[in-house]
Amino acid sequence: ETGVTQTPRHLVMGMTNKKSLKCEQHLGHNAMYWYKQSAKKPLELMFVYSLEERVENNSVPSRFSPECPNSSHLFLHLHTLQPEDSALYLCASSQSKSRGSTEAFFGQGTRLTVV
Amino acid sequence: TQLLEQSPQFLSIQEGENLTVYCNSSSVFSSLQWYRQEPGEGPVLLVTVVTGGEVKKLKRLTFQFGDARKDSSLHITAAQPGDTGLYLCAGRHSRGTASKLTFGTGTRLQVTL
Repeated sequence: ETGVTQTPRHLVMGMTNKKSLKCEQHLGHNAMYWYKQSAKKPLELMFVYSLEERVENNSVPSRFSPECPNSSHLFLHLHTLQPEDSALYLCASSQSKSRGSTEAFFGQGTRLTVV
Repeated sequence: TQLLEQSPQFLSIQEGENLTVYCNSSSVFSSLQWYRQEPGEGPVLLVTVVTGGEVKKLKRLTFQFGDARKDSSLHITAAQPGDTGLYLCAGRHSRGTASKLTFGTGTRLQVTL
């Protein structure tokens, strides 16, 4: 049990579909993150939410839309994706403090395949 | 983008051998973390190093942070098949709320019997 739970674990979707990834953290953290992990590329930070406000958006295409309704939940809404968006999507959480953050704790990821 | 280069990218060794993985950058980090990721799972934190020159040991794993806080190394003694996985270093640049981690390119380790 890592304290960060992602669902679904696997998702196959067509390019015209709309789907959502869900992340829930049980660690009492106040910051949550979405990362994308593609083959042969470093982990890419997509979005950061701190205290439920989006504080970073790393030039992610608008077909990815994050939502953070409260400090425990994070969603990634997907719409009209491309095959190159196929990847492992990882959610993480950490506790932000005035002098930095604790380590990031990751969920198990959602393996997304766009067909 | 602040790049963290890891070397080697791939390493296949036999049980009982020693190995070292390197993580290098031109940037100074306030802290650096090492993660291990197994297939189908998310990265799991192994250690955080904060002070330049710091050395931390976790059983057969020894982590060192460079004096200038730009690089780090991970040394594994007497590797075992259970050490197999993707090793990721990650540097934290800034302080303050939700400071972000920059991940390295990764080292994929396979330990065979």
